[in-house]
Amino acid sequence: QKEVEQNSGPLSVPEGAIASLNCTYSDRGSQSFFWYRQYSGKSPELIMFIYSNGDKEDGRFTAQLNKASQYVSLLIRDSQPSDSATYLCAVNTGGFKTIFGAGTRLFVKA
Amino acid sequence: SQTIHQWPATLVQPVGSPLSLECTVEGTSNPNLYWYRQAAGRGLQLLFYSVGIGQISSEVPQNLSASRPQDRQFILSSKKLLLSDSGFYLCAWAYGRVGSEQFFGPGTRLTVL
Repeated sequence: QKEVEQNSGPLSVPEGAIASLNCTYSDRGSQSFFWYRQYSGKSPELIMFIYSNGDKEDGRFTAQLNKASQYVSLLIRDSQPSDSATYLCAVNTGGFKTIFGAGTRLFVKA
Repeated sequence: SQTIHQWPATLVQPVGSPLSLECTVEGTSNPNLYWYRQAAGRGLQLLFYSVGIGQISSEVPQNLSASRPQDRQFILSSKKLLLSDSGFYLCAWAYGRVGSEQFFGPGTRLTVL
């Protein structure tokens, strides 16, 4: 069974620090990788997607992909209390379905 | 720009009652459409997806069904709700290409009593 694994957290970081969120996946044929942010009681919101090995930066967010290690991560620089949310890693293995991890809760302390 | 709507936002239903949740998308054509359920504190469980009108793929055998009567309309139904059907129901759309990112609607919170 194809799986996406995340540490459930909570991950607690002080305001201004770098938050590092990690995700591993089981299907070596996975093609597309996504990070979503979900505030409590709200629906998931797409933050970033990455298709190729390496880093992709968008503002304070950097997604990192290592297909050989089947590992994808999200770095949040200069973390703010408003970044406190659950972050979902999602992986597409080449079809129309995407598999979501259970999410990591992030808490940014002011 | 594209928008996705879901209604109702919240719903409280007795066990054994029927269910109909609706999702519509604006600003795009031929989207792929998805229904997910999220139990409290859990991940997203894919229930159904559709790549076109009348085309439904079921991921979980249960008492739910889905229909796509129009290109940008997706409906989730049940004839008789179970307690275990409680949860946060999310509709999502994606571009009609393999590996596309998905965009979620605001969700429907269903409580079955």
